[in-house]
Amino acid sequence: DQQVKQNSPSLSVQEGRISILNCDYTNSMFDYFLWYKKYPAEGPTFLISISSIKDKNEDGRFTVFLNKSAKHLSLHIVPSQPGDSAVYFCAASATNDYKLSFGAGTTVTVRA
Amino acid sequence: ETGVTQSPTHLIKTRGQQVTLRCSSQSGHNTVSWYQQALGQGPQFIFQYYREEENGRGNFPPRFSGLQFPNYSSELNVNALELDDSALYLCASSLGGLRRNYGYTFGSGTRLTVV
Repeated sequence: DQQVKQNSPSLSVQEGRISILNCDYTNSMFDYFLWYKKYPAEGPTFLISISSIKDKNEDGRFTVFLNKSAKHLSLHIVPSQPGDSAVYFCAASATNDYKLSFGAGTTVTVRA
Repeated sequence: ETGVTQSPTHLIKTRGQQVTLRCSSQSGHNTVSWYQQALGQGPQFIFQYYREEENGRGNFPPRFSGLQFPNYSSELNVNALELDDSALYLCASSLGGLRRNYGYTFGSGTRLTVV
């Protein structure tokens, strides 16, 4: 049962433009959300997170938006850079939960 | 500060064999979790170890087992390997224990191929 879904397997964007990655979840107990970035032959690395008490969190070029009523979050990367080309995973956790539930990932390709 | 290291990086095994994967957690972290990432999918939680005991398990059969040692390093053992066990196995360490998980530090993974 996939509780976290990333429905776009891939995204191609031109350098300097905005990348928007989407993520939907079904478990209403999720209240903490994270984005991880993964390069080939490396493990996922933490990018940015958001608690359900917020609807936006910003860190440099990366902004995550959370819409609790729609059970939807998105990651905005502005401006996109060639080094942003990677697989991005959305993950979620619930209070007192020891595990993360991951989406299937979105492969971002930034074109020069 | 050392990160999470996993060994080996790649492994090929025959169906029915047994395999042991190893993980050293990040310095200061006391909790180790293991995830399986099949091709085209996100990481799936296998189990977590805290204080040398398994304290959470995902939807994986008993032939998946593990250990955590006093220095917080960990092993993942898989018996009676099946072709579907072919995947990237990720180890993640954290300082969460039984509390909410605020995120991990992942290793680079072990790519297991079962033939």
